[in-house]
Amino acid sequence: AQSVTQLDSHVSVSEGTPVLLRCNYSSSYSPSLFWYVQHPNKGLQLLLKYTSAATLVKGINGFEAEFKKSETSFHLTKPSAHMSDAAEYFCVVSDQISGATNKLIFGTGTLLAVQP
Amino acid sequence: GAGVSQSPSNKVTEKGKDVELRCDPISGHTALYWYRQRLGQGLEFLIYFQGNSAPDKSGLPSDRFSAERTGESVSTLTIQRTQQEDSAVYLCASSLNYEQYFGPGTRLTVT
Repeated sequence: AQSVTQLDSHVSVSEGTPVLLRCNYSSSYSPSLFWYVQHPNKGLQLLLKYTSAATLVKGINGFEAEFKKSETSFHLTKPSAHMSDAAEYFCVVSDQISGATNKLIFGTGTLLAVQP
Repeated sequence: GAGVSQSPSNKVTEKGKDVELRCDPISGHTALYWYRQRLGQGLEFLIYFQGNSAPDKSGLPSDRFSAERTGESVSTLTIQRTQQEDSAVYLCASSLNYEQYFGPGTRLTVT
C-alpha cells in the first residue's frame, strides 16, 4: 500500500527566511506525488505535482519540491517565506493500485506559521 | 468558471438522525470523489465515481454511509443514524484527468 509521512506537524519560520516541509513516501512503484495547501476556511489548492517527468518540480507562489527516489522523499521548499504562506500543507500520493480510481492518499499535514 | 460547490457549508445534527450532503462538480468533470477530514488529520478517501462505471466504495467506513451520483453531475453523500465520530469536514473533489479540484467542504457536527 502507498503512504506518505509528513515529518513535522508544525513548522514556524520568520518572514523572508527559507521554508522546508518534509515528506517521505512509501510506494512499490513510481508514484505520482502532490503538495496541496489549505488556507483557513478555504478549499484545498494544488501547489505542485510530480508525475515521473522532471524530478525538480516548480509550483505556484514560488514553491518547489524535489523527488528523490533514493531517499523516498518529496520535500517542499520556498526560498523566502511570506506572511500569506501561513496555512496547512499536505503531502499526497496517488494510489494507482486500484486501477483507474486515482484516489489520493493524504499525509497528516504540516501547519506552517510565518512570524513577522 | 465555477468551481466545485458543496452544500450545506455547515450542518449540526443530533445523534441518530440521517444527513444528506450535496456536491456540484465542475461541469464536464467525469470523476468525482468524496473525502472526510477529521480534526487535525489528513483526508480519508470515501468513495469515487467515474462516468457510468461502478463506484469505488472501498473507503466507506460503514454501511451507514452511502453515496449516489446522477450521470456526471450532482452527487449526494448520505449518512444514516449519525454518530458523534462522524463529526468531520466532508470534502468533494472533481477531476477530468489526474488533478482533483476540491470544494470548500461541509462541516458536520453530530451532537
